[in-house]
Amino acid sequence: GENVEQHPSTLSVQEGDSAVIKCTYSDSASNYFPWYKQELGKRPQLIIDIRSNVGEKKDQRIAVTLNKTAKHFSLHITETQPEDSAVYFCAASIWDDKIIFGKGTRLHILP
Amino acid sequence: GAVVSQHPSWVICKSGTSVKIECRSLDFQATTMFWYRQFPKQSLMLMATSNEGSKATYEQGVEKDKFLINHASLTLSTLTVTSAHPEDSSFYICSARSIGRMGLMDTQYFGPGTRLTVL
Repeated sequence: GENVEQHPSTLSVQEGDSAVIKCTYSDSASNYFPWYKQELGKRPQLIIDIRSNVGEKKDQRIAVTLNKTAKHFSLHITETQPEDSAVYFCAASIWDDKIIFGKGTRLHILP
Repeated sequence: GAVVSQHPSWVICKSGTSVKIECRSLDFQATTMFWYRQFPKQSLMLMATSNEGSKATYEQGVEKDKFLINHASLTLSTLTVTSAHPEDSSFYICSARSIGRMGLMDTQYFGPGTRLTVL
């Protein structure tokens, strides 16, 4: 089955700097890669997603890149703000079927 | 937008009792719902896939006789934790996949979660 690895597990960046979270997946059939932000005790919130026919996608300060050959995908957050502090999960699935999550990255934005 | 609700939002029960958690899609039909479990400071682990009108598909290591899943309609799936024990204490989250419209790919929407504490 699919296995998603996520790094780093914890990331601290100065406010205003950029944050990068990287993930790899194992199943070459996976074609949908969502990213979620989860605050304590709440449901995961979809922040951006990318499908396998696209190499990069951007939405304001958030961008995601996908390298299908290497089975890598990354989340980039620019101009980080205090409200960006949360746990971020990458995930992979095949045609929006069961979503397999990475272990998560706890992002701290330092003042 | 698409809304998924869960009930109850939290529950405390005694060891050995059974607890039922409901997952509802409020404004769309969901042929497929998914159940996840999340322990503190850990990721969401998929427990099972629930298809309307058929038996659920459980992930490896998840006891189907302990975690009973019923998906009786296109808007409701239930998870029953039978004979709950303290190690079953966790955050249970469902997601529902909408039926695609106008050729759009289906999307999953997550419920708010149910925090189960077994004493």
